[in-house]
Amino acid sequence: KQEVTQIPAALSVPEGENLVLNCSFTDSAIYNLQWFRQDPGKGLTSLLLIQSSQREQTSGRLNASLDKSSGRSTLYIAASQPGDSATYLCAVPTDSWGKLQFGAGTQVVVTP
Amino acid sequence: DTEVTQTPKHLVMGMTNKKSLKCEQHMGHRAMYWYKQKAKKPPELMFVYSYEKLSINESVPSRFSPECPNSSLLNLHLHALQPEDSALYLCASSHGLATNTGELFFGEGSRLTVL
Repeated sequence: KQEVTQIPAALSVPEGENLVLNCSFTDSAIYNLQWFRQDPGKGLTSLLLIQSSQREQTSGRLNASLDKSSGRSTLYIAASQPGDSATYLCAVPTDSWGKLQFGAGTQVVVTP
Repeated sequence: DTEVTQTPKHLVMGMTNKKSLKCEQHMGHRAMYWYKQKAKKPPELMFVYSYEKLSINESVPSRFSPECPNSSLLNLHLHALQPEDSALYLCASSHGLATNTGELFFGEGSRLTVL
């Protein structure tokens, strides 16, 4: 059974620092991995999707890497801003029918 | 347009009420999903529709009844719910099933409170 873990559970950094968020998964036979952002009481916003054949994906200040062999993905957010404060979740499909297994998330606070 | 629209945003209902949650997307996606999220927990899958047919039911109690009237709409009918069903209900869609094309787009959710 696929298990997804995110460490740390919470992170507080001053504005301008780079953020490093970790995601690990137990079964390396994944199709893809997706990173989401969730603001309190809101839905999920898709940040990046990495296909299993890719090593990294970039969008603006965000960069996500994927190492299937070690069962790890890392989300880097450069030059953090208070608006980056949110919970970040990673997720992988667990079957062919679109069921996503989520990590518990990392709650990020960026202080001005 | 990468928007999934959910209504209502908030819903309060009694245990004997019948209500519905609605979800709409106009991205031409053929897979749609209902997820349930309790406070401080990650989302959990409830149902998957692929090409308007129910593909997955994650052993959800029958008091939750999904419906897919067409490729753009997904409903969740609620009847005789329990207070523990109070949660954020999230709708999502993807071009194909997540394993084929990957990216899921979520709506803002419907916050349900059962009294």
